[in-house]
Amino acid sequence: GQQVMQIPQYQHVQEGEDFTTYCNSSTTLSNIQWYKQRPGGHPVFLIQLVKSGEVKKQKRLTFQFGEAKKNSSLHITATQTTDVGTYFCAGDTGTASKLTFGTGTRLQVTL
Amino acid sequence: EAGVAQSPRYKIIEKRQSVAFWCNPISGHATLYWYQQILGQGPKLLIQFQNNGVVDDSQLPKDRFSAERLKGVDSTLKIQPAKLEDSAVYLCASNRQGKSSPLHFGNGTRLTVT
Repeated sequence: GQQVMQIPQYQHVQEGEDFTTYCNSSTTLSNIQWYKQRPGGHPVFLIQLVKSGEVKKQKRLTFQFGEAKKNSSLHITATQTTDVGTYFCAGDTGTASKLTFGTGTRLQVTL
Repeated sequence: EAGVAQSPRYKIIEKRQSVAFWCNPISGHATLYWYQQILGQGPKLLIQFQNNGVVDDSQLPKDRFSAERLKGVDSTLKIQPAKLEDSAVYLCASNRQGKSSPLHFGNGTRLTVT
């Protein structure tokens, strides 16, 4: 079945440093979504990417969808303590809108 | 709009007991999902409903798990009998009908099986 892997599994940064998480799918995706889960919370939708090579920005967050539509990345510029949480990508193969979540990257930010 | 409602928030049971979780999706959302999230892992889809029909239950352990959405609105997920490895957070999510609209998650039910 479809597998979606993320690296790194965990990253600890100082506030103000940049952070990137990478998402790789075993199959071509029709679109990819990103979610953030705060400690003790539930996943919250951040963004969806649909087109090959698409880049979207939300303030300090930059999301990219690979040309082959099998990988994606999330980059946070100048992290803040409010960025703490686990970031999941979720890939949709286009079959009945079934999303497969990635393994997640847990971000810890300290002052 | 009101969010996805789930209950209970926490449940502790002994192995071999049964348990049920309830979910009420956002009004108007045709698709409802149950995910299992084991600590430190991503959510894993157990079952997906479109209105009151099952779209995907390929990863649902049908020997012990069952789910229903009889009137196409709220849903229940049952485990009988529970095993230790069922300890997880059970998340309900919903979205509008249509390709790949964002999922809206409830707060989840944290199940501990002892």
